Amino acid sequence: DIQMTQSPSSLSASVGDRVTITCRASQSISSYLNWYQHKPGKAPKLLIYKASSLQSGVPSRFSGSGSGTDFTLTISSLQPEDFATYYCQRTDSTPLTFGGGTKVEIK
Amino acid sequence: QIQLQQSGPGLVKPSQTLSLTCAISGDSVSSNSAAWNWIRQSPSRGLEWLGRTYYRSKWYNDYAESVKSRITFNPDTSKNQFSLQLNSVTPEDTAVYYCAREGALTTFSYWGQGTLVTVSS
Repeated sequence: DIQMTQSPSSLSASVGDRVTITCRASQSISSYLNWYQHKPGKAPKLLIYKASSLQSGVPSRFSGSGSGTDFTLTISSLQPEDFATYYCQRTDSTPLTFGGGTKVEIK
Repeated sequence: QIQLQQSGPGLVKPSQTLSLTCAISGDSVSSNSAAWNWIRQSPSRGLEWLGRTYYRSKWYNDYAESVKSRITFNPDTSKNQFSLQLNSVTPEDTAVYYCAREGALTTFSYWGQGTLVTVSS
């Protein structure tokens, strides 16, 4: 099965910072990658689908890029409500594996 | 408006069966354009996709290899819901379990509220 590896596993950042999270697939998945935000006690929230398409209602400070095996999620200016754990997920075929997650914490 | 409502016990004894149900409103479990997934989250494993059930003229199931020998999904068209059964549980199965609707482009836009299931004697 294709493995999804995120880096870093955690990071500390300040409000207003630009944050970049990386997701790497062990084999090419074309652009079949989604990004989710997960906060404690809440269900995950879809941010980006098909690697770079912004889900309706998601702020434009979130963006996604990449194809093949290397993908990035960028938050252009971190806001207080963005402190959460972020996951990538392959969607080319089953198993619909998630990455290990990146926890974004307050510096 | 699509909504998913989960139900089931929060405590299961080791070696027993974990059973959860996800009731659907605003859509149909036998929709030809959706699939119905189970995902769990634990501090040690993050988000883990467990599998899905869907209807395309007949019922199909896909399961994660890690739980394939122990898991069953049961869609119930009469109640418009689907359920998860995980057999022979161990403390490693302790997690928050979510159901989720998979739509176009394999997007999980609708989720249940989550159920914390603890495996302990």
